[in-house]
Amino acid sequence: DAGVIQSPRHEVTEMGQEVTLRCKPISGHDYLFWYRQTMMRGLELLIYFNNNVPIDDSGMPEDRFSAKMPNASFSTLKIQPSEPRDSAVYFCASSFFVSGGQGELFFGEGSRLTVL
Amino acid sequence: AQRVTQPEKLLSVFKGAPVELKCNYSYSGSPELFWYVQYSRQRLQLLLRHISRESIKGFTADLNKGETSFHLKKPFAQEEDSAMYYCALTRGSTLGRLYFGRGTQLTVWP
Repeated sequence: DAGVIQSPRHEVTEMGQEVTLRCKPISGHDYLFWYRQTMMRGLELLIYFNNNVPIDDSGMPEDRFSAKMPNASFSTLKIQPSEPRDSAVYFCASSFFVSGGQGELFFGEGSRLTVL
Repeated sequence: AQRVTQPEKLLSVFKGAPVELKCNYSYSGSPELFWYVQYSRQRLQLLLRHISRESIKGFTADLNKGETSFHLKKPFAQEEDSAMYYCALTRGSTLGRLYFGRGTQLTVWP
């Protein structure tokens, strides 16, 4: 398995443009997470899904952010319109249910977003 | 509310010296604690978890509920240990959400 696959690896865009980040989790994993990493705030959980259903989106900064998981092998994180303060590395991670505890998170390589 | 604190953003030691990366947490229930590591140009990956009570790459971490700490230790640091280390917590009864500290960048000098 190639692990969690994210695209694009790098994205440079101008303020006001729509940005779509994509993630393919590891096959068989039933949890998918979107994290954002910045120097100021570290790793923040934006949203996570269980069996394609959003469970907790309390970390999504505002309405400009949306995430979907139409099937078990694909998820998107969309920012519309983008702003310079959205510049960060966005990580996708997946895991599987472990009886009695938290399964290990497997991270993608991240998508580095720069909004000019 | 749950919180994970890593007081040191940067930590430098010489090869062969002991190293301790500090992690404190606040949570009133029974947490599960983890250490994740990110080596240069690699993915963030799990290093160890407290429930496993294992030693990985010479690192150990003991959960001290009295001091609410989960410090990561290694008696003899190696250059290849240089990386970013994140302490993380999940509420034991709740699957899914993992809370990360801000991370500590460890540099091991030759």
